[in-house]
Amino acid sequence: AQSVTQPDIHITVSEGASLELRCNYSYGATPYLFWYVQSPGQGLQLLLKYFSGDTLVQGIKGFEAEFKRSQSSFNLRKPSVHWSDAAEYFCAVGAYNDYKLSFGAGTTVTVRA
Amino acid sequence: DTGVSQDPRHKITKRGQNVTFRCDPISEHNRLYWYRQTLGQGPEFLTYFQNEAQLEKSRLLSDRFSAERPKGSFSTLEIQRTEQGDSAMYLCASSPRHEADQETQYFGPGTRLLVL
Repeated sequence: AQSVTQPDIHITVSEGASLELRCNYSYGATPYLFWYVQSPGQGLQLLLKYFSGDTLVQGIKGFEAEFKRSQSSFNLRKPSVHWSDAAEYFCAVGAYNDYKLSFGAGTTVTVRA
Repeated sequence: DTGVSQDPRHKITKRGQNVTFRCDPISEHNRLYWYRQTLGQGPEFLTYFQNEAQLEKSRLLSDRFSAERPKGSFSTLEIQRTEQGDSAMYLCASSPRHEADQETQYFGPGTRLLVL
């Protein structure tokens, strides 16, 4: 069975500082990996995804993530955060022809001025 | 905007009442999913449709939960005899038919249910 662990429940970062959110997964098959962002009371917006190929993927809003198979990780990064990046971030795992996504519990990001 | 839409956005009901939520997927997306999200948790998969066929429903939380997608377009999720534990955000997602991207799920804004 697949599972996703996001070790950090809450991260506080200063505006303009870099951000890294950790994600570890457990999956028997070749995983498809996703990062979503959720603002309070809203649905999930897709930031980026990895299916295959280049292990460094670029997403929207200046985010990127790196797939490391040896570490079963898919960490999300942003070089310089903006106050509007304050939200909850979810890592998810799926696979080819697997209809469901399994999500981590999320990491809440607070941005201080 | 042609994203996934859900209605209503908020629902308050009394315990024991039935509720129904609607989801309109992105146009021409043939796959549709329902998830439940409780406070402080990630979304939890409930059920999945490909066109009008419900291909997975074993994750529906109890027999009080049912979902339909009668014409392969919009879908409804019904909860009968609601309980306070049903209070949650109910999210709908859809994914496109073309094979290269069929596993990418696009989510709607959700319906937040509060059972009193």
